Amino acid sequence: DAKTTQPTSMDCAEGRAANLPCNHSTISGNEYVYWYRQIHSQGPQYIIHGLKNNETNEMASLIITEDRKSSTLILPHATLRDTAVYYCIRGAQKLVFGQGTRLTINP
Amino acid sequence: DTGVSQNPRHKITKRGQNVTFRCDPISEHNRLYWYRQTLGQGPEFLTYFQNEAQLEKSRLLSDRFSAERPKGSFSTLEIQRTEQGDSAMYLCASLQSRVKAGELFFGEGSRLTVL
Repeated sequence: DAKTTQPTSMDCAEGRAANLPCNHSTISGNEYVYWYRQIHSQGPQYIIHGLKNNETNEMASLIITEDRKSSTLILPHATLRDTAVYYCIRGAQKLVFGQGTRLTINP
Repeated sequence: DTGVSQNPRHKITKRGQNVTFRCDPISEHNRLYWYRQTLGQGPEFLTYFQNEAQLEKSRLLSDRFSAERPKGSFSTLEIQRTEQGDSAMYLCASLQSRVKAGELFFGEGSRLTVL
């Protein structure tokens, strides 16, 4: 039971911001929201995580709604190398992956 | 290269044989995870260790599967009497639980094909 809901696939134009939504309406108070991505045939790569506040790092921004029931990962200037499957995960001690969103960046 | 090393990278075996995979985590990481991934699916949690203690095992892990982490360093995942349904990528990940919650570092995986 992945306990998060994401669109199966999305497209974005190169250079534009990619906004990936995630629903985690039953998240518990001690669970973080994590985002990972997986490029074909590689292991998943950590992107960002947060608990309540919005977060930003060199890769992306994470916007978490005030009620924590949903979040959005933002890749501010998508490149072709950002084409991957993006996983939104809620968890504490262990991370349970869902099906993810297959993001395609188009030239 | 994340610093997590898995061997072998590829293994082809016949049904009924035993296979063992090894994971060397980042040296200061006290927590180690095993996942399994089949084509088109997200990684499925199998088990995890805190130092040498195995803290949780998924119900997916039948009694043919066993994992160890002696001395809290490297880990092995053994599959006995392999079946064709065991064909998958087996991923190992590690993290330092005291430093940054949730930033798992994954290895490149060990791909198993059971004929």
